Amino acid sequence: GENVEQHPSTLSVQEGDSAVIKCTYSDSASNYFPWYKQELGKRPQLIIDIRSNVGEKKDQRIAVTLNKTAKHFSLHITETQPEDSAVYFCAASNYGGSQGNLIFGKGTKLSVKP
Amino acid sequence: DGGITQSPKYLFRKEGQNVTLSCEQNLNHDAMYWYRQDPGQGLRLIYYSQIVNDFQKGDIAEGYSVSREKKESFPLTVTSAQKNPTAFYLCASSATSGEMDEQFFGPGTRLTVL
Repeated sequence: GENVEQHPSTLSVQEGDSAVIKCTYSDSASNYFPWYKQELGKRPQLIIDIRSNVGEKKDQRIAVTLNKTAKHFSLHITETQPEDSAVYFCAASNYGGSQGNLIFGKGTKLSVKP
Repeated sequence: DGGITQSPKYLFRKEGQNVTLSCEQNLNHDAMYWYRQDPGQGLRLIYYSQIVNDFQKGDIAEGYSVSREKKESFPLTVTSAQKNPTAFYLCASSATSGEMDEQFFGPGTRLTVL
């Protein structure tokens, strides 16, 4: 089955710097890759997602890149702000195939220092 | 924070007791999911349901049971057979599991076994 690995487990940056979180997946049939943000004590919320027919997607300060050949995808946050501090989860799924449910990485705790 | 709700927020149980966690959604979503979240482990799928009166086991179903008698409701029972039930439990729903739809999460229930 699908396996998703996420690195780093913790990341500390200075306000205004960029942050990059990387995930790798094992199932080449995976075709949907969402990223969720979970603030302390709150529910996970989708912040951006990408389908396998797209290599990059951007939404203001957040971008996701996908390399299908290498089977990895990354979250990029530019101009980080203290409110970006949270745990970020990547996930992968093969909708329409044998693994249609989301398989999550173990999360990255991002701390943005003012 | 409407749409998908979970109750109670905190739950304490003695060893050997079964306990049921509530999950309700008013989003008219077909698919519902239960995840378990442990520190450093990400989100792991317990059970999911694509349609009323039907559900499937996820990756860690042992010691849990569910029912889906109504579209709006997907309760999870943690039985005494679950060896390590203390965890944070998240319920989620999506419009359909057959397409790449966003999963919306409830606020979670933190279960502690005394």
